[in-house]
Parts: sequence; structure tokens; C-alpha cells
Amino acid sequence: KNQVEQSPQSLIILEGKNCTLQCNYTVSPFSNLRWYKQDTGRGPVSLTIMTFSENTKSNGRYTATLDADTKQSSLHITASQLSDSASYICVVSEDSNYQLIWGAGTKLIIKP
Amino acid sequence: GAVVSQHPSRVICKSGTSVKIECRSLDFQATTMFWYRQFPKQSLMLMATSNEGSKATYEQGVEKDKFLINHASLTLSTLTVTSAHPEDSSFYICSHNGYYGYTFGSGTRLTVV
Repeated sequence: KNQVEQSPQSLIILEGKNCTLQCNYTVSPFSNLRWYKQDTGRGPVSLTIMTFSENTKSNGRYTATLDADTKQSSLHITASQLSDSASYICVVSEDSNYQLIWGAGTKLIIKP
Repeated sequence: GAVVSQHPSRVICKSGTSVKIECRSLDFQATTMFWYRQFPKQSLMLMATSNEGSKATYEQGVEKDKFLINHASLTLSTLTVTSAHPEDSSFYICSHNGYYGYTFGSGTRLTVV
């Protein structure tokens, strides 16, 4: 069964600190993996998208990694800001029918 | 990047009435658009895929007679929640897969009282 699991479910850190969010998946065949940021009451906004051959991709203070062998991805946030408070969702695209498999997200709270 | 405009952002309706949500694709002619529903503290769940000029494809468990989808043009898809009930209260989001990958609307918070 195609699944995407994220951890932790929620995370609270102090402003300025770094953090890493995890995503494990069992989706096959794999097409690509995306990380989205979703502010409360808003639609998701794309942060990164990685294909099978990409190991890392950065977008400002966000850096995503992908290990296609172990089917794991991480999203590292550097020097966190209050505006980083949001849910971060890992989404894996299946290659056969391009179906998106959504993770449940990690709720990140940045405290001053 | 591409922009998806969704309207309204919030709506409160009485039980038994119908509500229409509009999703406009700006700067991109979308032959396909996707409708999601998100309950509190849960991830997005795909409800249906709307296809311009033809019938929408609904996911298992989604009532097509209750959630009417119309995709009459390449820039507009609408979702109508008919005979709404309190359990239909949710966050509805549309998206399309365009030049920049999946782009999402800002969502519609529906509350049925």
C-alpha cells in the first residue's frame, strides 16, 4: 500500500534554531517528492520538488534531502523565523498514474 | 509562478442549502483541476478531478450527486456542495498541475450550521 509517513507530528522550537522534519514513504513506482508549507487556513505552497536522481535541493533557508534507496526524505529549516510556523507536508507522486500520496504533515511552531 | 484564485475564502450556510466554490486558473489554461477536502488536523484528501468539457472523476467514497463539479472553461472549475449538512463543514482546496507543478488555491472554509 502506498503510504507517506511524517515525523514528528508536531514540533516546537525557539526562534533562530534549526530543525529537521522527516518523511518516509512506501510509494512505488516513485516519480517525485514534494515538500509543501501550509499556513493555517491557507492552501499549500510548494517549497521543493525532487526526482529520483536528486539528493538535495535548497530553497532559501529550506533544504530538502532525498534518499531513494531507503525511501526517506528530510526537510531542514535553518535559522527559524516566526513566519515558519506552519504545517509542512510531504507529498510523493506515484509514477504509474501520477497520483499524489499525501503525508499527514508536521505542525511546526516557532516561539520567540 | 502560476496563480490559482479560489472564492469565497469563507462561507457559512444553513443546513440543506447549496454552496458554490469557484476556482480560477490565472496565467494557465487548465484542462484538469483537482478538488481536495481537509478536515482539522488531517492532510488533504483528493475528492475529485475535474476535466474541462467532460465529466469529473470522483474518488471512492465521494458522492458525485452531492459534490457537483463543473469545468466549463480552461480557466474555471466550480464545486457545488448540494444540500449541505454540518458534516460537510471542512476546508476545500482546488489546484492544478501547470508549468510550475501543482499550484493550490487559498482554500474555502465551509461551515454548515
